[in-house]
Amino acid sequence: GQQVMQIPQYQHVQEGEDFTTYCNSSTTLSNIQWYKQRPGGHPVFLIQLVKSGEVKKQKRLTFQFGEAKKNSSLHITATQTTDVGTYFCASTSGTYKYIFGTGTRLKVLA
Amino acid sequence: DVKVTQSSRYLVKRTGEKVFLECVQDMDHENMFWYRQDPGLGLRLIYFSYDVKMKEKGDIPEGYSVSREKKERFSLILESASTNQTSMYLCASSTGQGIYNEQFFGPGTRLTVL
Repeated sequence: GQQVMQIPQYQHVQEGEDFTTYCNSSTTLSNIQWYKQRPGGHPVFLIQLVKSGEVKKQKRLTFQFGEAKKNSSLHITATQTTDVGTYFCASTSGTYKYIFGTGTRLKVLA
Repeated sequence: DVKVTQSSRYLVKRTGEKVFLECVQDMDHENMFWYRQDPGLGLRLIYFSYDVKMKEKGDIPEGYSVSREKKERFSLILESASTNQTSMYLCASSTGQGIYNEQFFGPGTRLTVL
């Protein structure tokens, strides 16, 4: 079945450094969603990408969807302690089913 | 704001017990989901429902069943809890209008089976 691999599993950065997490699939994805889960919290929707090559920005966060729609990335510029958490990508398989990546846990050292 | 609530934040049960986890959403969403979250494995779909009384198996349905008698409520049932079902359980909902809709998650239930 469809699988979405996410790397790295963990990332520790100094505050102010950049951070990137990647999602990869062996099959073409219909869409990519990104979620953030704060420590002790639940996943919260950040954004969705649908078009090939799409790039969207939310303040210091930049989201990209690959031209072949098989990969996506989330880049955070100049990380802050508030960026701490686990970032998940997800894609819709069929009409209702969502496939989640394994997540990247980000730790920001002040 | 969409609100998804779960009946318990923490639950401790013994092996062999029947366990009910309840989820309620207040936004009239058609779709509801149950996931379990384990370190290094991400979120894995157990069951989902796209309408009242309708249910579909996810990726790991073994050992679980679900019930959706009302649109706002989706229950996860562990018929006979086992230690390997110790996990964080997350409920989510999404609208059935359009496609590729975002999911709204509840706070989660951390279940420990002794």
